[in-house]
Amino acid sequence: ETGVTQTPRHLVMGMTNKKSLKCEQHLGHNAMYWYKQSAKKPLELMFVYSLEERVENNSVPSRFSPECPNSSHLFLHLHTLQPEDSALYLCASSQMDRGNEQYFGPGTRLTVT
Amino acid sequence: ILNVEQSPQSLHVQEGDSTNFTCSFPSSNFYALHWYRWETAKSPEALFVMTLNGDEKKKGRISATLNTKEGYSYLYIKGSQPEDSATYLCALYSGGGADGLTFGKGTHLIIQP
Repeated sequence: ETGVTQTPRHLVMGMTNKKSLKCEQHLGHNAMYWYKQSAKKPLELMFVYSLEERVENNSVPSRFSPECPNSSHLFLHLHTLQPEDSALYLCASSQMDRGNEQYFGPGTRLTVT
Repeated sequence: ILNVEQSPQSLHVQEGDSTNFTCSFPSSNFYALHWYRWETAKSPEALFVMTLNGDEKKKGRISATLNTKEGYSYLYIKGSQPEDSATYLCALYSGGGADGLTFGKGTHLIIQP
């Protein structure tokens, strides 16, 4: 138990659907992250939020839209995804002044049909 | 684009044997090196955060060393046990506050009883 939870754990959606992934951290951290892991690729950073402000958007397509309403919650809104977006999506949090040691959730396994 | 390489990609080790694997990274972009242990269907679990050249850290039967000048880190597991079976990830942190981590593809370790 890392103190970071993600829901849902599994999601199957069609290309025309709109869905959202949710992440919650109970660690009092001030930064949150979305990572993507596709098959046979390393974890790739998608978005960083620091003090609820987005600080990095790693050239992610606009069909992925993050939202950070407060320091404990992070969402990833999905719309008109493609089958190649099927992957494991991991959320993480950290305290910025502690060497950026990140604590990860268990991930959402997304399948786009 | 930072390149973090891990080798080998996968490793089968007999229970009781000791083993080690490598993470290499560009030494010019170094702030900290992270090691994570990732069991299937669970969250990646932080093992070590290493910042100083020559650093050596230990947690039970697992230890890690760091050489920032030549850009590599080794992870050692002494007396492997079946519960050590997991994917071991290293990640480079290049500094800058809430920047994300750049991950390698991982070493998938299987301990055979």
